[in-house]
Amino acid sequence: DVKVTQSSRYLVKRTGEKVFLECVQDMDHENMFWYRQDPGLGLRLIYFSYDVKMKEKGDIPEGYSVSREKKERFSLILESASTNQTSMYLCASSQDGNTEAFFGQGTRLTVV
Amino acid sequence: RKEVEQDPGPFNVPEGATVAFNCTYSNSASQSFFWYRQDCRKEPKLLMSVYSSGNEDGRFTAQLNRASQYISLLIRDSKLSDSATYLCVVNFKAAGNKLTFGGGTRVLVKP
Repeated sequence: DVKVTQSSRYLVKRTGEKVFLECVQDMDHENMFWYRQDPGLGLRLIYFSYDVKMKEKGDIPEGYSVSREKKERFSLILESASTNQTSMYLCASSQDGNTEAFFGQGTRLTVV
Repeated sequence: RKEVEQDPGPFNVPEGATVAFNCTYSNSASQSFFWYRQDCRKEPKLLMSVYSSGNEDGRFTAQLNRASQYISLLIRDSKLSDSATYLCVVNFKAAGNKLTFGGGTRVLVKP
């Protein structure tokens, strides 16, 4: 069974903290994605990666960075968490643009 | 203008009825298209890919209109279990396989 695993289901962090969200896939996929999902705004792409050590900005990269040192792992970093980064974060992976993307179960991050 | 747009709904559908909705995309160079389904508090899952010639999977039919830059999803004989949010997804291969989601269309099937 294919799997995308996010390290935490729920996180509460304080304003100004550095936050790491981890995502691991076991399908040897080339592409990995980080989205955030907010009511009324849908899924918005933060960053994506099509190869190890490669990264591309999505539509809302401000305040975030990413790391992909190994093919199976894609980390999202909030350099200095702010309350407007309270959201559901979803990681996904796919082999290529023509095939299914698989999602992790999401991390609900609350910044207080 | 958003790259991928959907009517948010909700579409209130009597059980057994047919419902259809569209998704428009702005980039004519878009490569591939999908419909995903998302249940409340769950992650999105692939419902079906959308091919140029149109395709059908049971009660679901997807169509692509490249000239007008939209895709559609039709659900026949709606079931209560079809209640969900349906997400349109577009792949911009020229941008490195960037998968962009629409905001979703909520469908509520009622007895």
